[in-house]
Amino acid sequence: QQQVKQSPQSLIVQKGGIPIINCAYENTAFDYFPWYQQFPGKGPALLIAIRPDVSEKKEGRFTISFNKSAKQFSLHIMDSQPGDSATYFCAARDYGQNFVFGPGTRLSVLP
Amino acid sequence: EADIYQTPRYLVIGTGKKITLECSQTMGHDKMYWYQQDPGMELHLIHYSYGVNSTEKGDLSSESTVSRIRTEHFPLTLESARPSHTSQYLCASSEQGGYGYTFGSGTRLTVV
Repeated sequence: QQQVKQSPQSLIVQKGGIPIINCAYENTAFDYFPWYQQFPGKGPALLIAIRPDVSEKKEGRFTISFNKSAKQFSLHIMDSQPGDSATYFCAARDYGQNFVFGPGTRLSVLP
Repeated sequence: EADIYQTPRYLVIGTGKKITLECSQTMGHDKMYWYQQDPGMELHLIHYSYGVNSTEKGDLSSESTVSRIRTEHFPLTLESARPSHTSQYLCASSEQGGYGYTFGSGTRLTVV
């Protein structure tokens, strides 16, 4: 129940495309859902986050869609660029205020 | 820039050696974490701490140990390094009730 599932494992899109990464969870006690972006040789960095009482949040080209009833949330990257190529992790905050991470998605944006 | 520092960034060491990976943060965060990660792959929690003198094992079994004598410092020690310990080790911190973790840049460990 503490798991966060994430798909796809890897994703290749052309520049300008809209990659979508999906996550799902079972634990209804999760109360905050961030996304992290990790470049090679770096630690993950917080990208965008959403609370479960909000269905969508947009920051620049990044949008989170949240479906509380389905216990699913997704990251959309509009007008993707080669510089967006990275590994993306979804996460969920549990009752102990620790975060559970999904297994990650490797995104490649081709020029 | 993240205010959490890990040293060394890269380390190549022989089998059987004792090593300590350093992690320090200047944000006054109570919670600190160690993750093991193969390049671009899943994050595995190996240790965490909720404050001074508090340490717990994470989800992934690890032969490493940690200590938390000062709020800002959370070193990880391998008493006897083995090739199976070859990986990237990431340190992170957060405040109580925080909205995310701040990660260091990691230590890439190679045991030969």
